[in-house]
Amino acid sequence: GDSVTQMEGPVTLSEEAFLTINCTYTATGYPSLFWYVQYPGEGLQLLLKATKADDKGSNKGFEATYRKETTSFHLEKGSVQVSDSAVYFCALSGGTSYGKLTFGQGTILTVHP
Amino acid sequence: DARVTQTPRHKVTEMGQEVTMRCQPILGHNTVFWYRQTMMQGLELLAYFRNRAPLDDSGMPKDRFSAEMPDATLATLKIQPSEPRDSAVYFCASGLVSASTGELFFGEGSRLTVL
Repeated sequence: GDSVTQMEGPVTLSEEAFLTINCTYTATGYPSLFWYVQYPGEGLQLLLKATKADDKGSNKGFEATYRKETTSFHLEKGSVQVSDSAVYFCALSGGTSYGKLTFGQGTILTVHP
Repeated sequence: DARVTQTPRHKVTEMGQEVTMRCQPILGHNTVFWYRQTMMQGLELLAYFRNRAPLDDSGMPKDRFSAEMPDATLATLKIQPSEPRDSAVYFCASGLVSASTGELFFGEGSRLTVL
């Protein structure tokens, strides 16, 4: 079946540091890929998505590129802020995950002033 | 501003009691999901519905969990009897999903503690 693997956390950074959270996937066919973010005490919300190979999703300074050759969708941000502290989930839809999202295990990000 | 609404937000109960969690999906969405989140297991898909019909409930312990969608505005998740290991945050999400795309909108979750 489909699966998503994220880099293990937690990740702790200073404000304005560069962020990378790695995500790789296993799926048949051509899934869509997503990054969701969960702020403390809240539900998940979509951060960005990409629906085909070489697409780049971007939002709020975050970016991720759909790399079919490496089956990856790494999340990056050039300069993190304290307000970016949250849990980040990589997910896919499609393949055998028809009509549903398969999530990675989540990566906790803490940004210090 | 359309949103998924879940009740209760917090529930503390004793082992053996029945627990019912409710979800009002966003109007017009055709697919509703129940997820459970714990520190150990992360996000687990329990069940989901499309056009109110159950599509997959393989993630649910069948002996104690049940999920229903009595109408388009209400989805329920029931645990009877509850056990301490059911303590978790339960999320409902809705969306208009197809085979390969689709954003899900999550509620704020129901935090369940079973003593």
